[in-house]
Amino acid sequence: QQQVKQSPQSLIVQKGGIPIINCAYENTAFDYFPWYQQFPGKGPALLIAIRPDVSEKKEGRFTISFNKSAKQFSLHIMDSQPGDSATYFCAGTGGSQGNLIFGKGTKLSVKP
Amino acid sequence: KAGVTQTPRYLIKTRGQQVTLSCSPISGHRSVSWYQQTPGQGLQFLFEYFSETQRNKGNFPGRFSGRQFSNSRSEMNVSTLELGDSALYLCASSLVSRGSTDTQYFGPGTRLTVL
Repeated sequence: QQQVKQSPQSLIVQKGGIPIINCAYENTAFDYFPWYQQFPGKGPALLIAIRPDVSEKKEGRFTISFNKSAKQFSLHIMDSQPGDSATYFCAGTGGSQGNLIFGKGTKLSVKP
Repeated sequence: KAGVTQTPRYLIKTRGQQVTLSCSPISGHRSVSWYQQTPGQGLQFLFEYFSETQRNKGNFPGRFSGRQFSNSRSEMNVSTLELGDSALYLCASSLVSRGSTDTQYFGPGTRLTVL
């Protein structure tokens, strides 16, 4: 019940494309869903986060779509750039859970 | 404001040895969490400390331990190292506690290699 499943494992898009990364969670007590971006040799950095009372949140080129009934959420990156090439992690937390439960990550490569 | 710092950045140990990793949280942050990152298992929660008390613990053996000091700095210790302990160990700090209300900010990690 603690898992967060993330897909795809890797993704290659052309510059300007819209990569979409999907996540599904099991724990209905989760009430906070952040996305982290990690570059090689760096720690994960918070990109954008959403709570289940909102169906969509947009920050710059990054958009989270949230489907509470399906227990799914996804990250869309508009007008992707080579600099967006990184590993993206979704996560969930909430209820009695103080720590983040992470998906396995998606390695995104944006080709020029 | 300085970010989360971790020392050392790289460490090479041999099986059976023990190791201590250090984390300094962002100034004013009182909660420190530790995560292990490996290619196979991804990011896994080790433990969380708040006001020098362990608040939460992940599913790791007792060889993994930690503590937090009065200035919120934290250390984690791994005893009797095994090859499978090779990983990137990440520290994250947040203002209070409980991920649902606080953003966790990660440090750059300590890369531990066990030979």
